[in-house]
Amino acid sequence: GAVVSQHPSRVICKSGTSVKIECRSLDFQATTMFWYRQFPKQSLMLMATSNEGSKATYEQGVEKDKFLINHASLTLSTLTVTSAHPEDSSFYICSAFAQVPFHYTFGSGTRLTVV
Amino acid sequence: DAKTTQPNSMESNEEEPVHLPCNHSTISGTDYIHWYRQLPSQGPEYVIHGLTSNVNNRMASLAIAEDRKSSTLILHRATLRDAAVYYCILRRALNTNAGKSTFGDGTTLTVKP
Repeated sequence: GAVVSQHPSRVICKSGTSVKIECRSLDFQATTMFWYRQFPKQSLMLMATSNEGSKATYEQGVEKDKFLINHASLTLSTLTVTSAHPEDSSFYICSAFAQVPFHYTFGSGTRLTVV
Repeated sequence: DAKTTQPNSMESNEEEPVHLPCNHSTISGTDYIHWYRQLPSQGPEYVIHGLTSNVNNRMASLAIAEDRKSSTLILHRATLRDAAVYYCILRRALNTNAGKSTFGDGTTLTVKP
C-alpha cells in the first residue's frame, strides 16, 4: 500500500515553455505532499510543501512564481515549471507521508531537460 | 529540522553484513528515525524506521543507541542490488501527514562481487 504515482517520468521541453508534473497518491489521501529537486550526484533538496486546498509553502530561495504548485484534491498535486530555462533541468521528485504504514512514499521522479 | 550526518561512502563485499551509521545528536523526543535508499534515476525507497527500540523487517535491521543520538542500519547480507545511496532522516511524530523532513548527503554504498 501507500503508492505515489508521478508523471511524466521524462520530459524534454524548449526554453521558455512550461511543463506540468503530476503526483498522485493511489491508495491513500495526502493532504500534504512534498516536492524535491535533485541535481546529479547531489541529495534531494526540498522545494516546497503542497497543501490541499491552500497555498503551498516554499523553501527559502525557491521562486514561487516559477514553480507553481496546485493541490486541488486529496490525491493530486501538480508542479508546473513556468518559462523553463536550461538551468531548470533537473530530477524532480514528489513525496507524501502515509500514516499507514507511517513512512514517506516517493514518486519515481521526473527527469526534466530544457533545451 | 534536526540534522543527520552520515559518511559519504562505504564499501562492502557481497553476502557480507553492512553497518551504515547515522548521527543525529540534536534529535528531539518525538522524532522518528527513518531510512530510505535511492537507486540511480529513481525516487527514494523506504527501508525502515524506528523511535527507541531496535527494529527488524525483511529488508534490514535498525539499531538505535540508548541516548538516540545515533543509529545504525544493518543489511545482514549485502547483495549487488543493495548498492544505492542510503539516507537517514528524522520525522517528527504527528497525527497528520504534514511534517517535512530534510535530506542530508546520504551514504553511497558500493557492493563488490
